[in-house]
Amino acid sequence: DAGVTQSPTHLIKTRGQHVTLRCSPISGHKSVSWYQQVLGQGPQFIFQYYEKEERGRGNFPDRFSARQFPNYSSELNVNALLLGDSALYLCASSHPGGRYNEQFFGPGTRLTVL
Amino acid sequence: QKEVEQNSGPLSVPEGAIASLNCTYSDRVSQSFFWYRQYSGKSPELIMSIYSNGDKEDGRFTAQLNKASQYVSLLIRDSQPSDSATYLCAVIWGAGSYQLTFGKGTKLSVIP
Repeated sequence: DAGVTQSPTHLIKTRGQHVTLRCSPISGHKSVSWYQQVLGQGPQFIFQYYEKEERGRGNFPDRFSARQFPNYSSELNVNALLLGDSALYLCASSHPGGRYNEQFFGPGTRLTVL
Repeated sequence: QKEVEQNSGPLSVPEGAIASLNCTYSDRVSQSFFWYRQYSGKSPELIMSIYSNGDKEDGRFTAQLNKASQYVSLLIRDSQPSDSATYLCAVIWGAGSYQLTFGKGTKLSVIP
């Protein structure tokens, strides 16, 4: 079975631009979470979606938004990019109610803001 | 503020030795605990999850949880150079929460 997929793999943007990152969960998983990982830190939680509903939001500004589609794929949008938004953006797939609520990460999208 | 603490390392062990990675967390009502391995430039890979006090073994990996001491550890037996990576400890704080809170990770180097 395919794991979590994310696109694009790498992205370079300039300050003030907008970006859309995409994620497809593991088949059968209905929940998607987004995390931001900057160099030298652990991932930081941004959003979780389940059945198209937002279930949790981390401490990120309103420039960050997300949505989940009927096929459980998800998009993360970031507006008015800042240099500090440069990071690895990770999507994690899970099946709420599954064993230990385990989350499985995709390969990530590396965003560079110039 | 709920926190997960890890020694950033680097932790260096010789090939074949036992690597011991430690993690402490700040909230007694934490529900689930996870260890992820992250190779440089790659995404985190789930290697162990533990829910109850005690030990859980999977191959060369053993996770140990002590909720009273708010401590979770990962032992890697017969360490191999391919185990060289950053190990991330993560916690889900309470029932109904699905948000992972991560430590900063411990960098492990296994010396041939």
